[in-house]
Amino acid sequence: QKEVEQNSGPLSVPEGAIASLNCTYSDRGSQSFFWYRQYSGKSPELIMFIYSNGDKEDGRFTAQLNKASQYVSLLIRDSQPSDSATYLCAVNPPMNTGFQKLVFGTGTRLLVSP
Amino acid sequence: DAGVTQSPTHLIKTRGQQVTLRCSPKSGHDTVSWYQQALGQGPQFIFQYYEEEERQRGNFPDRFSGHQFPNYSSELNVNALLLGDSALYLCASSFPGPRETRDTGELFFGEGSRLTVL
Repeated sequence: QKEVEQNSGPLSVPEGAIASLNCTYSDRGSQSFFWYRQYSGKSPELIMFIYSNGDKEDGRFTAQLNKASQYVSLLIRDSQPSDSATYLCAVNPPMNTGFQKLVFGTGTRLLVSP
Repeated sequence: DAGVTQSPTHLIKTRGQQVTLRCSPKSGHDTVSWYQQALGQGPQFIFQYYEEEERQRGNFPDRFSGHQFPNYSSELNVNALLLGDSALYLCASSFPGPRETRDTGELFFGEGSRLTVL
């Protein structure tokens, strides 16, 4: 079982729709969770991080965490063509407290059509 | 304020050769991590340097080694290159702070060095 699993996609949504990206992780003790966006040929950039169960909103982005189900999601409202990218889910496993050794999923490719 | 800078941006090597990649962290950052990202995969952690010492290491062979200098810049060295070493090598820096902020995972990535091994 992979430590962090994501559907590779592509996930295709029309402009203005809500894009829902999902991620599951295997280490139940993980405490911190991150979503990075990576445009083709570019480096990852942090969109959001979340520590507590529930929702965390930042502009058009909402991260959702359910530790009981070991599930993290990212919702993008009013999707724009500029949101087309690969979205990487990352987890900092518990043994790495104090260190930033992130374990990444393979990423989900999002395509937003005009 | 310059972000994380890496050099070279692209390079081509042949099997068996050695390569050195360089990274300058974002101003004010003291910790440098290196990740390998193969095509279609997520980044994989190679190692992390702090105070000029390797602090954490991922599941990579000893052919992968590194160094951090007093100015916090870092090098990644790969010896005896294999075809499978072809990848984007990402350097990420993070800011100092209390232990809690070190857990935020707010890594700032450079644009990477794309290595092709023929």
